[in-house]
Amino acid sequence: AQKVTQAQTEISVVEKEDVTLDCVYETRDTTYYLFWYKQPPSGELVFLIRRNSFDEQNEISGRYSWNFQKSTSSFNFTITASQVVDSAVYFCALSGLLSGYNKLIFGAGTRLAVHP
Amino acid sequence: DAEITQSPRHKITETGRQVTLACHQTWNHNNMFWYRQDLGHGLRLIHYSYGVQDTNKGEVSDGYSVSRSNTEDLPLTLESAASSQTSVYFCASSVGSGGPNEQFFGPGTRLTVL
Repeated sequence: AQKVTQAQTEISVVEKEDVTLDCVYETRDTTYYLFWYKQPPSGELVFLIRRNSFDEQNEISGRYSWNFQKSTSSFNFTITASQVVDSAVYFCALSGLLSGYNKLIFGAGTRLAVHP
Repeated sequence: DAEITQSPRHKITETGRQVTLACHQTWNHNNMFWYRQDLGHGLRLIHYSYGVQDTNKGEVSDGYSVSRSNTEDLPLTLESAASSQTSVYFCASSVGSGGPNEQFFGPGTRLTVL
């Protein structure tokens, strides 16, 4: 079965704190892709990153970084020095051959609130 | 600029009525998807299409149908609306080749079934 678990329903931090959003996935595929999307209060879904299962290098983009560990089936997302504008719901998603290669399976999402 | 639009943005209907939600993309993407978003469930796939005349059922397809007569549009029809279909609906599209690509999402339609 293909499954994505985001165990943290809500996280609340104060501005400038670092915060990590957890994502654990299950798949029988040997080739698969992982995604993160952001949904700000305005409601639209914004693509953040796509990572394939052969690339375990960590990714950094400004204050955002992603840690992919196949050994623990995790693809965690860290925001460094959080800002109020980071307040949003964040979704982790999985796509693999068994699920239909272009389909995304989403986790339930983590709501991040960053307070001034 | 290319975009993906949904209409209406908000809809209130009554139980038993047929409702159609529109999705139009100008990306010229082969793949199109419909999701519903409910608290605690994230986004769940309703139907999807990999090209004209192609449609497939997703995880939560009961009570919904789609048709794909051209590349740009994938309307979602609720055959007989039920209160359990009150939700926010998102349409998305993606390039059809090179593995699972980034999906571009529409702004969403908030549907209330009374």
